[in-house]
Amino acid sequence: NAGVTQTPKFRVLKTGQSMTLLCAQDMNHEYMYWYRQDPGMGLRLIHYSVGEGTTAKGEVPDGYNVSRLKKQNFLLGLESAAPSQTSVYFCAARMGQGEQYFGPGTRLTVT
Amino acid sequence: QQQVKQSPQSLIVQKGGISIINCAYENTAFDYFPWYQQFPGKGPALLIAIRPDVSEKKEGRFTISFNKSAKQFSLHIMDSQPGDSATYFCAARYGGATNKLIFGTGTLLAVQP
Repeated sequence: NAGVTQTPKFRVLKTGQSMTLLCAQDMNHEYMYWYRQDPGMGLRLIHYSVGEGTTAKGEVPDGYNVSRLKKQNFLLGLESAAPSQTSVYFCAARMGQGEQYFGPGTRLTVT
Repeated sequence: QQQVKQSPQSLIVQKGGISIINCAYENTAFDYFPWYQQFPGKGPALLIAIRPDVSEKKEGRFTISFNKSAKQFSLHIMDSQPGDSATYFCAARYGGATNKLIFGTGTLLAVQP
């Protein structure tokens, strides 16, 4: 997980609250991804970015927004949290055709 | 619809045994098939990967077998060790600019001493 950090590590929200998850990478990688991991469902892609200033939807984008204002940062926002968004969120970064490097994850609970 | 199907969901193997995890896919647009290993509380990490023009790749105790005609690939862990206990995910990557990965649902491996 070297080079990709996520903030915060844990968070508990109440339904309807908002928050932003931060992913930062120091590897100068072009591509960045946000996934959620749920038991029995593997990792599912929420949003991704192919470069600074660009974002695109993944498999499960509803209820989330993202921004990539700086190359090294990729932010994931929840405008109005719902219990269905309780999950572990992983950020990943990749350069070219290389492997995706994952961060350590953020465990989010929405009550 | 699960684009990459992985089995079994969980696996218990004795130390020294062989662990086998299987995956199947449908989309012929996939051009790269990695396996990730994840320990509790950590992010997934690339373990080994294969391209569809190769039928087998071996790295130490880990081997990927790939059957392009059957659209199946599998991970074999030889001489399994307690330290191999983790969750394993297969994945498939779309070619092109986005290079998105589609993951299987994961296999929880427990290697008993």
